[in-house]
Amino acid sequence: EVQVLESGGGLVQPGGSLRLSCEASAFSISTYAVSWVRQAPGKGLQWVSGISGNGALTSYADSVKGRFTFSRDNSKNTLYLQMNSLRADDTAVYFCAKGEGYYTRGAFDMWGQGTMVTVS
Amino acid sequence: QSALTQPASVSGSPGQSITISCTGTSSDVGGYNYVSWYQQHPGKAPKLMIFDVSNRPSGVSNRFSGSKSGNTASLTISGLQAEDEADYYCSSYTSSSTVVFGTGTKVSVL
Repeated sequence: EVQVLESGGGLVQPGGSLRLSCEASAFSISTYAVSWVRQAPGKGLQWVSGISGNGALTSYADSVKGRFTFSRDNSKNTLYLQMNSLRADDTAVYFCAKGEGYYTRGAFDMWGQGTMVTVS
Repeated sequence: QSALTQPASVSGSPGQSITISCTGTSSDVGGYNYVSWYQQHPGKAPKLMIFDVSNRPSGVSNRFSGSKSGNTASLTISGLQAEDEADYYCSSYTSSSTVVFGTGTKVSVL
């Protein structure tokens, strides 16, 4: 069964760092784009970052550019979101989402259950 | 990147049809046929309902349909059912090679 599983969330102080992981099952991360999408408590969805199937194209929302880094380990079929200089407004549930194609186009056909990040 | 504009809420009676709009700019919705729609029930992950403006993933009911005109995309739910009560979000690819979501619409079944 195709699925993604996030981990690594938790409580961190402002200015601190955290690394989220997204482990993919039943599909290769070198074949599909993957994105991180977050949702602050009681708020809407916000796209954070995306990486293409070959890992060559990585993009970020302006709100996290320069602070977050999206990377991957093909041997582990796992992706990572390194989050530095965290701020209170980064508090959210972070979802890992599989793209339906090779490039990040906004169509995410499989989502994880999310991992909560609290900056306080 | 500003969020796409959606109505805060839309409601309808069982069996009726409702339409949710999603308004952007020529740099996102109007510039690409990469508009998607998601359904999210409370406490759950979003579910892809429509991609590339009007395509339905396998398993999604044909009561859900999508369209686009200019800078505005639309999701229509026909034959409204109680299980359709949820939050709905649109998304679009942008000219900055990023993705932007809509503000979200709460659908209520009266």
